[in-house]
Amino acid sequence: QLQLQESGSGLLKPSQTLSLTCAVSGDSISSGEYSWNWIRQPPGKGLEWLGYIFHTGNTFYNPSLKSRLTISGDRSKNLFSLKLTSVTAADTAVYYCARGSTSAFHFYDPWGQGTLVTVSS
Amino acid sequence: IQLTQSPSFLSASVGDRVTITCRASQDITSYLAWYQQKPGKAPKLLIYGASTLQSGVPSRFSGSGYGTEFTLTISSLQPEDFATYYCQHLNTYPPLFGPGTKVDI
Repeated sequence: QLQLQESGSGLLKPSQTLSLTCAVSGDSISSGEYSWNWIRQPPGKGLEWLGYIFHTGNTFYNPSLKSRLTISGDRSKNLFSLKLTSVTAADTAVYYCARGSTSAFHFYDPWGQGTLVTVSS
Repeated sequence: IQLTQSPSFLSASVGDRVTITCRASQDITSYLAWYQQKPGKAPKLLIYGASTLQSGVPSRFSGSGYGTEFTLTISSLQPEDFATYYCQHLNTYPPLFGPGTKVDI
C-alpha cells in the first residue's frame, strides 16, 4: 500500500529556510508513471500547489514561489524534499506531499498526512 | 482560469441529497477533480475527469458537468460525509484548486 510521510522543521523564525522531506513507501519515486508533489494549506484556507519532481529529476514550481523553492529527490532513500528560503508568516501552513498522476488526468492521490509549519518571531 | 464553488457553506442532514457546484471562468472540458477533506486530515480524491469515481469511493458520490460548470452530488448524505469539498482544475500549470465548500450538520 502506497504511503507518504512528511517530516521536518515545524517552527521557524522569519528569514529562515524551511526544510521538509516526504518518505515514500509502496512505490518508487524513480518510476516513470508519477510526479511527486508538494501542496500546502494555510490554517483555515484553501490549497496551494507548490511544485513537483519527476523521476527524471526535472522539477516544476509554482511561479509565485519559484525564486525561493527547491524540490529534490533521493532515489536511494526513496524520498523527495522541499526547501523554501526566506520564510515569512505567510508561509505558515500545513504542508502535504502527494503523488500525482501523469496519465490523461493529473490528479493527486494519495496524500501524506501533512505537517504543520509555523513561522513566528 | 478561475474556479468558484457554490455554496461556500452548506448545512444538511443525514440522508439529504447534496449538490455542490464548481464553475470555471473558461472552458476546461472535463479536466476537473473533486476532493474531500475532513478536519485535521489530508484531502482525499473522490472524482477525476469530471465524472470518474476513484476506486474505493462510495457510489453515493457522483460527478457531472463539462466545459465551465460541474457538480458533485452526494445522493444520501452519511455522517462521515461532513467535510469540506474542493474542486481542482486538472492538467493546468500551476494546478488550481477551488475555494472549497464546507458541508456541515
